Amino acid sequence: EIVMTQSPATLSMSPGERVTLSCRASQSISSYLAWYQQKPGQAPRLLIYGASTRATGIPARFSGSGSGTEFTLTISSLQSEDFAVYYCQQHNNWPWTFGQGTKVEIK
Amino acid sequence: EVQLVESGGGLVQPGGSLRLSCAASGFTFDSHWMNWVRQAPGKGLEWVASIKQDGSEKYYVDSVKGRFTISRDNAKNSLYLQMNSLRAEDTAVYYCARDGVAPGIYYDYWGQGTLVTVFS
Repeated sequence: EIVMTQSPATLSMSPGERVTLSCRASQSISSYLAWYQQKPGQAPRLLIYGASTRATGIPARFSGSGSGTEFTLTISSLQSEDFAVYYCQQHNNWPWTFGQGTKVEIK
Repeated sequence: EVQLVESGGGLVQPGGSLRLSCAASGFTFDSHWMNWVRQAPGKGLEWVASIKQDGSEKYYVDSVKGRFTISRDNAKNSLYLQMNSLRAEDTAVYYCARDGVAPGIYYDYWGQGTLVTVFS
């Protein structure tokens, strides 16, 4: 099983700041990585798949990068609606596994 | 508009059974793998099961193998999860999720979830 590790667990940020979230895979997953955003009481929402392709309707301030075992989600300028938990997920190998999440909170 | 609507959650005792349903609309149902993903209270996301477009392939996370069965009815645009021998650790919100178009299994649309609580 591929283990996905996200860091940090929590980020305290201010609106307008640039945010970088990290995700590491225990073995190479090529570019088969997705990112999701989840707000309290809501279902997750797909942001990025294939490591860098934005999903339909996702603002350009969200970008993904990386390949192999190291991946990054960047929010170029944090908006109030972006405070949430972010999960990465590998879609390279069964079983499909998620990271434990990074919470982006208001500083 | 893609819509996924889960139902069937509730309270059940350990060892009991529940059947979850997911009604899909707004897309060609039989063109997509479909999935169940769960989230225990206050915890992260966990993939549970996946089923191929025609139902010929099914995959399960190890912790539910032999207890849960995923199925689909393409004529009814519906996905199901039969859950038997339920345990306290199965307590979670269960989401129905559609597979995206890129290789591998990821989830481009999600339902609102249905809560399953296993208690003694």
